[in-house]
Amino acid sequence: AAGVIQSPRHLIKEKRETATLKCYPIPRHDTVYWYQQGPGQDPQFLISFYEKMQSDKGSIPDRFSAQQFSDYHSELNMSSLELGDSALYFCASSLEQGGDNEQFFGPGTRLTVL
Amino acid sequence: AQSVTQLDSQVPVFEEAPVELRCNYSSSVSVYLFWYVQYPNQGLQLLLKYLSGSTLVKGINGFEAEFNKSQTSFHLRKPSVHISDTAEYFCAVRGGYNKLIFGAGTRLAVHP
Repeated sequence: AAGVIQSPRHLIKEKRETATLKCYPIPRHDTVYWYQQGPGQDPQFLISFYEKMQSDKGSIPDRFSAQQFSDYHSELNMSSLELGDSALYFCASSLEQGGDNEQFFGPGTRLTVL
Repeated sequence: AQSVTQLDSQVPVFEEAPVELRCNYSSSVSVYLFWYVQYPNQGLQLLLKYLSGSTLVKGINGFEAEFNKSQTSFHLRKPSVHISDTAEYFCAVRGGYNKLIFGAGTRLAVHP
């Protein structure tokens, strides 16, 4: 079965650079969630989209923005990167309309900021 | 607001011994609970979930959990662990707009 795809899997950036993380949900899933997991930390919710509209926002810095496109893939844009942004970024997708909202996680993108 | 507390940061256990990973939750609304496993350098895999119905939930890899409303707990158990069960385990509760709120995690270390 198709799973959530995230790209790239690994990304190395310098401070103050920008990064774009991509997420491709499971086909027919209508909701995408982004989570950030710092070293040795639990995943923290950043932002979610339902049917291409932002549905909820968590502890996401103003330097970050995200959107969901017409094909339901989502991108997390991160600017003015800081050392503290080094983390594993997970995307999850679910089916809200007609589903039980179970979230399926992608393998994550490991961002390292030097 | 919903929250979960995982009472043990690390649990060492010998192979073939039983194990229990503890999770307590706080929620003022209907509660939906999950256990995820994360192997080193990998993503999150759903072990099991409680949405409604039977309070004893069986998951993958021989794990099970029991939802206890009076004690606000959702402890994860396995009667006999294997070396391959060594991983980080996260308890989570569904929050507003279906986001997941995770506990701090429990590192299960299975020794031969």
